[in-house]
Amino acid sequence: GAVVSQHPSRVICKSGTSVKIECRSLDFQATTMFWYRQFPKKSLMLMATSNEGSKATYEQGVEKDKFLINHASLTLSTLTVTSAHPEDSSFYICSARDSSGRFLAGNEQFFGPGTRLTVL
Amino acid sequence: GQNIDQPTEMTATEGAIVQINCTYQTSGFNGLFWYQQHAGEAPTFLSYNVLDGLEEKGRFSSFLSRSKGYSYLLLKELQMKDSASYLCAVSFITDSWGKLQFGAGTQVVVTP
Repeated sequence: GAVVSQHPSRVICKSGTSVKIECRSLDFQATTMFWYRQFPKKSLMLMATSNEGSKATYEQGVEKDKFLINHASLTLSTLTVTSAHPEDSSFYICSARDSSGRFLAGNEQFFGPGTRLTVL
Repeated sequence: GQNIDQPTEMTATEGAIVQINCTYQTSGFNGLFWYQQHAGEAPTFLSYNVLDGLEEKGRFSSFLSRSKGYSYLLLKELQMKDSASYLCAVSFITDSWGKLQFGAGTQVVVTP
């Protein structure tokens, strides 16, 4: 159990376009999901915390109007990179916490396989 | 923010033991995770410590000392497939939920 999927796994787009990335918890409900970004040979940086039914909380320095997050259901969160530019090219990873608290009292995050975004 | 430090790279031979240290300074500490990450893939869970002491799981063990802000991951009987980045991540409570702060990762290179 506790599987998280991400779609697409890889996307290439032109500068100025918007890209939507989906994160789904397949066999559990997730009140809280997280979005991370990882540049080559760097660690994961938390971008925002996505909460079902309420607004996302963004980390300092992350533009909320550029990275739109929607968490419309207990199994789906989406990240939309608006007006993408080459500097947005990165590996985007989502994670989800099981709302039931089955795993490590709800402290464990389950990671999706990641989405490689390349902006030309 | 939280300060998390771990070495950048370590090299060891197949069959050997390697210890990856992680030090942290944090408020609202709520546990420490170790993840393994191969290039281009998502992190995979290795271990979790919330109380002081050693947690053993097969070839991998993890230790935590909360008073010292210190943890280590011990990899025994190294195999070539263990070549990967190992991430120390501290869970801390802020507002009403916990978040993870990751260290920069330690690249372990296993040589024949």
